[in-house]
Amino acid sequence: AQSVTQLGSHVSVSEGALVLLRCNYSSSVPPYLFWYVQYPNQGLQLLLKYTSAATLVKGINGFEAEFKKSETSFHLTKPSAHMSDAAEYFCAVWTSGGYNKLIFGAGTRLAVHP
Amino acid sequence: ETGVTQTPRHLVMGMTNKKSLKCEQHLGHNAMYWYKQSAKKPLELMFVYNFKEQTENNSVPSRFSPECPNSSHLFLHLHTLQPEDSALYLCASSQEAGHAGNTIYFGEGSWLTVV
Repeated sequence: AQSVTQLGSHVSVSEGALVLLRCNYSSSVPPYLFWYVQYPNQGLQLLLKYTSAATLVKGINGFEAEFKKSETSFHLTKPSAHMSDAAEYFCAVWTSGGYNKLIFGAGTRLAVHP
Repeated sequence: ETGVTQTPRHLVMGMTNKKSLKCEQHLGHNAMYWYKQSAKKPLELMFVYNFKEQTENNSVPSRFSPECPNSSHLFLHLHTLQPEDSALYLCASSQEAGHAGNTIYFGEGSWLTVV
């Protein structure tokens, strides 16, 4: 069965530093992978998605993610963190085979300090 | 106007009350979802509706009763809830349920506190 694992429930970076949020997936078929962001007191917003086109996917707010099949990873990065990036980030994968569902990871809370 | 609108944003209810959460999507989608988000737990899919028909009930207790009168509206009726049901309830929609790769769009959620 497909699943996602997000390494690190909390990540803290300085403003201007590189943001790296890790996501590993488990899938026996080419996966559809998503990153969502949840700002405080809000719902989930789509950051970017991988649907088997280019392996480097660019999203909103300067974020991007690279699909690496050999590592079964889909890590999210941003070259320079802003204070406004502080939020919770969720990686998700569509299951396949039978009735498909979107399965979410446990989330990574990003803190950005001055 | 946001794509998926949820009301109320905040709700406090007693364990014997009956209340409802409402969701409306303006995206022309055919699938609607209820998710539960509790502290320190992964996002839990509760119900899925596709073209107004329920296609998934993820072993949700009967004190939660969904209703989908049309593809644009989704309700969650609440009755005799427990304090552990306090959570953020997220409504979402997508073009069609069960299609891998479809983007699911979320509302801002309804914060429920059961006292």
